[in-house]
Amino acid sequence: KAGVTQTPRYLIKTRGQQVTLSCSPISGHRSVSWYQQTPGQGLQFLFEYFSETQRNKGNFPGRFSGRQFSNSRSEMNVSTLELGDSALYLCASSLLTGQNTEAFFGQGTRLTVV
Amino acid sequence: AQRVTQPEKLLSVFKGAPVELKCNYSYSGSPELFWYVQYSRQRLQLLLRHISRESIKGFTADLNKGETSFHLKKPFAQEEDSAMYYCALSVYQAGTALIFGKGTTLSVSS
Repeated sequence: KAGVTQTPRYLIKTRGQQVTLSCSPISGHRSVSWYQQTPGQGLQFLFEYFSETQRNKGNFPGRFSGRQFSNSRSEMNVSTLELGDSALYLCASSLLTGQNTEAFFGQGTRLTVV
Repeated sequence: AQRVTQPEKLLSVFKGAPVELKCNYSYSGSPELFWYVQYSRQRLQLLLRHISRESIKGFTADLNKGETSFHLKKPFAQEEDSAMYYCALSVYQAGTALIFGKGTTLSVSS
């Protein structure tokens, strides 16, 4: 079956702009999580959505937001972009939410802010 | 605070040598731990989780709650094991989050 799909793969934006990233989970998966990966901080949890509701949120400013649609597809939005937002953004889907569930990762969206 | 520490950024071994990738965690609840691996040009994928207590590709990991460790071991490294390895702690507070270590690059040479 198809894996987690993230679009676009690459983005270049200017400081102050906003950006929307998209994630299509594995069919049947209802949980979608987002992570930010940078060389300095590594992989950091942004938020998790399950059944269209945000269930958990990491320690990121309010400029980072997301949503999940009824088909479990998710979008992540970053407003008022800063240079430090340049990163690889990974989406992961799971069948359910829970401590023991396996997360399946997408290939990521590489965001560069100039 | 929830934290995962992988003390080695890079581990270089020869083919056939034993491998141990270290992982220590800090968590006040009952820990659920995973090892994820990323091979060159591939996406991050699950290698193993402590609850299943199985060996995957010859790798094993034992949860030691006393030492708060979850080290990944393989008795004989293969060149195809070269990859980036991440230890992750799963925490659940109404929703799930994975707390990752910074990762260890394993390089196996012949």
